Amino acid sequence: NAGVTQTPKFQVLKTGQSMTLQCAQDMNHNSMYWYRQDPGMGLRLIYYSASEGTTDKGEVPNGYNVSRLNKREFSLRLESAAPSQTSVYFCASRDGATGYTFGSGTRLTVV
Amino acid sequence: AQSVTQPDIHITVSEGASLELRCNYSYGATPYLFWYVQSPGQGLQLLLKYFSGDTLVQGIKGFEAEFKRSQSSFNLRKPSVHWSDAAEYFCAVGAPDDYKLSFGAGTTVTVRA
Repeated sequence: NAGVTQTPKFQVLKTGQSMTLQCAQDMNHNSMYWYRQDPGMGLRLIYYSASEGTTDKGEVPNGYNVSRLNKREFSLRLESAAPSQTSVYFCASRDGATGYTFGSGTRLTVV
Repeated sequence: AQSVTQPDIHITVSEGASLELRCNYSYGATPYLFWYVQSPGQGLQLLLKYFSGDTLVQGIKGFEAEFKRSQSSFNLRKPSVHWSDAAEYFCAVGAPDDYKLSFGAGTTVTVRA
């Protein structure tokens, strides 16, 4: 099925560990996004990539880095995880006509 | 900067009753407006969107929303709620010339038998 695929679905990290969240879309969308979701705060934009080869900061970029590997893939890296980064992370891609398509999320716990 | 307010954190409604979820936005011009639904442990599914034109928008699962420019609102409605409508609902706003969505904090809907 066409859509946005995120891996892993669940992850537990120790404080200070690093990890990369993977995201791939097969809809040939130009724009891709990383959001985090925390209770009572909705979704907040971490980073986005308007097109292949470009990335920009969103609302809450501190502690994260991203790579737009190609048109399909957009990864999010935590270099030194902190408990404040415990959250559910969503990747999304965007088509100008139809709007956003979201992945099913990665639930990350930092202990 | 754009922003979204969903005044109701939690709404409980009886099955078969009508539902209205409120959404107010802040943006200088006509924005792109969206409603998403999220079931527990799932991603976000688009219910409907408004870009321009008819201010009453029909979506999936029997939902509709009305854009009211004078009130800066985009309220979501459903005439008769089903138990499967229990979920969290998010309103979002995006600028037409921008790539970023701003989300409200969400409204959790509980459906009682």
